[in-house]
Amino acid sequence: KNEVEQSPQNLTAQEGEFITINCSYSVGISALHWLQQHPGGGIVSLFMLSSGKKKHGRLIATINIQEKHSSLHITASHPRDSAVYICAVRARGGGGGADGLTFGKGTHLIIQP
Amino acid sequence: EAGVAQSPRYKIIEKRQSVAFWCNPISGHATLYWYQQILGQGPKLLIQFQNNGVVDDSQLPKDRFSAERLKGVDSTLKIQPAKLEDSAVYLCASSFPWGGENTEAFFGQGTRLTVV
Repeated sequence: KNEVEQSPQNLTAQEGEFITINCSYSVGISALHWLQQHPGGGIVSLFMLSSGKKKHGRLIATINIQEKHSSLHITASHPRDSAVYICAVRARGGGGGADGLTFGKGTHLIIQP
Repeated sequence: EAGVAQSPRYKIIEKRQSVAFWCNPISGHATLYWYQQILGQGPKLLIQFQNNGVVDDSQLPKDRFSAERLKGVDSTLKIQPAKLEDSAVYLCASSFPWGGENTEAFFGQGTRLTVV
């Protein structure tokens, strides 16, 4: 069974702080997604990565395949970054079969002005 | 590009009533997923379609939940009869072309269901 663990569960920080959210998983994967979910429920895909590092604006995502670990960093955090950040993985060997993502429980981030 | 459309956004029903959710995926996306997200938890896959065929419905409570994607485009998810524990956000996602290993999934806004 594939387990996806995120930490911390909840994080409150001051505007401008550097934020790190961690994700660990237990099986071999073909891709890892970082997703952002706002209170309305909709989910936006931030990154999809299978190796190395990706950067988009103030967001940076890294993955270490050997250690089965990924991190999402937010630089110069802002109140509008407040949301739930969810890590999801796609197990290796999806192919033409079922390939639904396995999700972590999410990290609830609040950035205070 | 239009995103994944879902309706309604919110629904409140009494237990034992029926409810249906609708999803219109991104044009051309062959794979469609329905997820259930209970408050405080990550989404859980209920069913995955490839065109109009079911690829995985192993976690769908088939005694009360049903889903269809008759023409391989729009999909509906139905709950009949609803229970209190069905209160959740129901998310629809789609991907292109065949849901292969590195395919990115796009999510709708979700339908928040409250069963009272």
